[in-house]
Amino acid sequence: SAVISQKPSRDICQRGTSLTIQCQVDSQVTMMFWYRQQPGQSLTLIATANQGSEATYESGFVIDKFPISRPNLTFSTLTVSNMSPEDSSIYLCSGSGGEKTQYFGPGTRLLVL
Amino acid sequence: GENVEQHPSTLSVQEGDSAVIKCTYSDSASNYFPWYKQELGKGPQLIIDIRSNVGEKKDQRIAVTLNKTAKHFSLHITETQPEDSAVYFCAASPVNYQLIWGAGTKLIIKP
Repeated sequence: SAVISQKPSRDICQRGTSLTIQCQVDSQVTMMFWYRQQPGQSLTLIATANQGSEATYESGFVIDKFPISRPNLTFSTLTVSNMSPEDSSIYLCSGSGGEKTQYFGPGTRLLVL
Repeated sequence: GENVEQHPSTLSVQEGDSAVIKCTYSDSASNYFPWYKQELGKGPQLIIDIRSNVGEKKDQRIAVTLNKTAKHFSLHITETQPEDSAVYFCAASPVNYQLIWGAGTKLIIKP
């Protein structure tokens, strides 16, 4: 299994600002994913972070709003840009070693005022 | 595309009793079915998974069954304990690496 850490664990931000969330995996993983989870709801995939190339975004999510980097096989960042209160959510990072099993980080709880 | 339905949305059981959560999927190409437990304030934790070449898998008090013909899979928790209280999610994975998620089941263990 993989152990995944995220920073920050929570933040309160002003509208119009941006926040970058970091995701670190303790071993090399093939795939990394970013999800959003509204309180009391299921997980929604934002994008697949591809190592060395542009991320693959799901319908409804765009690169200008959620730029993602993945410089190597153990690290990725998600930026939430030009934030509005609607961006308040839990952001989760996951990693998969190639057998489809995904391991999750603890999440980043974001509140936008 | 794949669609996963999960029932019930809330399940309340007496401590010591069994709990069963059911999921159905639509894409017959799906071949991987994990179950996650999410406690308040934490990320989802993988508790058990099953692949399409297996009909049942057990790990201590937790078991998962898969019926490929009917396209449904279930999580069974026996001898429930207070620490089993959480939200449980099922998921299905079609041919790529993505997971399609159920809506979640809030499991409440009554003392």
